[in-house]
This record gives sequence, C-alpha cells and structure tokens, in this order.
Amino acid sequence: GQQLNQSPQSMFIQEGEDVSMNCTSSSIFNTWLWYKQDPGEGPVLLIALYKAGELTSNGRLTAQFGITRKDSFLNISASIPSDVGIYFCAGQLPPGGTSYGKLTFGQGTILTVHP
Amino acid sequence: GAGVSQSPSNKVTEKGKDVELRCDPISGHTALYWYRQSLGQGLEFLIYFQGNSAPDKSGLPSDRFSAERTGGSVSTLTIQRTQQEDSAVYLCASSQTVWSNQPQHFGDGTRLSIL
Repeated sequence: GQQLNQSPQSMFIQEGEDVSMNCTSSSIFNTWLWYKQDPGEGPVLLIALYKAGELTSNGRLTAQFGITRKDSFLNISASIPSDVGIYFCAGQLPPGGTSYGKLTFGQGTILTVHP
Repeated sequence: GAGVSQSPSNKVTEKGKDVELRCDPISGHTALYWYRQSLGQGLEFLIYFQGNSAPDKSGLPSDRFSAERTGGSVSTLTIQRTQQEDSAVYLCASSQTVWSNQPQHFGDGTRLSIL
C-alpha cells in the first residue's frame, strides 16, 4: 500500500528560526495536505495543494506540491511559541477506484519552539 | 453544526465489552471518514462514507469493527468484544463530497481506553 515518509520526526528550535519539513511517497498523489495537531485535539488543516509544482502560502507557512507528485514540503518562517505541535502531511490518490477518498498520513513531525 | 462533532470525547471500558462511537459531520458534507490514531503515531484510515454508502471497508482492522451511516449525516463506529490493542484515538472527518477534492476537516476524536 501507499506509504508516506515524513521527516524530520522531531525538531527543537529557537523562537524566530525558520523550520522545514517534508514528505515523500512511493505513489503519486492528486492532493497534498498539511495538518497541525495540538494535544487533545483533532488535526487542523493548514494548507491544501492540488497541482504539481504548486507553491502556496498561508501567513508564515509555505508549502509546495512536488513536480513528480510524490513529495511535498512545508516551511514555517520566523517561528513563534504557538507553532508548537505535531505537523502531519497527507496525500490523496487520483480519482478512480474505491480508495480515492482516503488520506494517507505521514508519521508526523513534532515541533518544539524554545522562547 | 460549525464543525465535526464526536462523542463521547473519552471512553474507558473493560476488555470484551462493545463500544459505539458517534460522529456528526459538518452540515452539508456528504462524505465522512473514520481514522484511528495510536499513541505517537500518524492516522490510519478505517472507512469512509459517501452518503450512506461505504465503498472501501478495507481499512477496518478486523470483523469486530463495523460502521454505519443513515440519513446521510451521523455515523457510528462500533467495536465489538474490545481488545487492549483497540485503545487509540478514533478521529472522524468530513468533506463536501468524496469527488470534489475538497479537504477533510476533523473532529477532536474519541479517546478509547480498554482496560
């Protein structure tokens, strides 16, 4: 089945630093999504990417859908303490087939920001 | 409602008991998804519904797991004869339709603990 490799597994950074994390897949995805999860809560959507090569920003967050459609990265600029949490990438397969609707998730990147 | 609502938020039960988890999707969303998140892990797809139909049940871990959706809205995930390995956070998500490529939005989950 599809697998997503997300790295790094964890990051410890100082407030104000930039952060970069990425995901690679053995399969082609039609959509890449990035979510953030705080303790005790469900994942919250940060950025959705729908086209190969697409570069999208949401405030201090920037994400790109890789040209090969098998990878994506997320950058966070000028980190602040509230950026702490677990970040997940997720991919959705192209249309067709009964598995189209499900998301395949990476293992997550745990981000710690020191003030 | 404004967001995906799940109940109960926490459930502790003895091994061998049956449990029923409920998900109320965002109003107007016809697609509904169930995922499982074990401690420190990413999300594992279980099943999705488009309307009341579940085209892909391949993610259900065993025949002790079942899900239904009636009326195109609320869904219940039932685990029979629970085992300790069923302990996890069960997350529900919804989207406008499974074909629209619109992102999935998550509830805060049900934290299930099997003693």
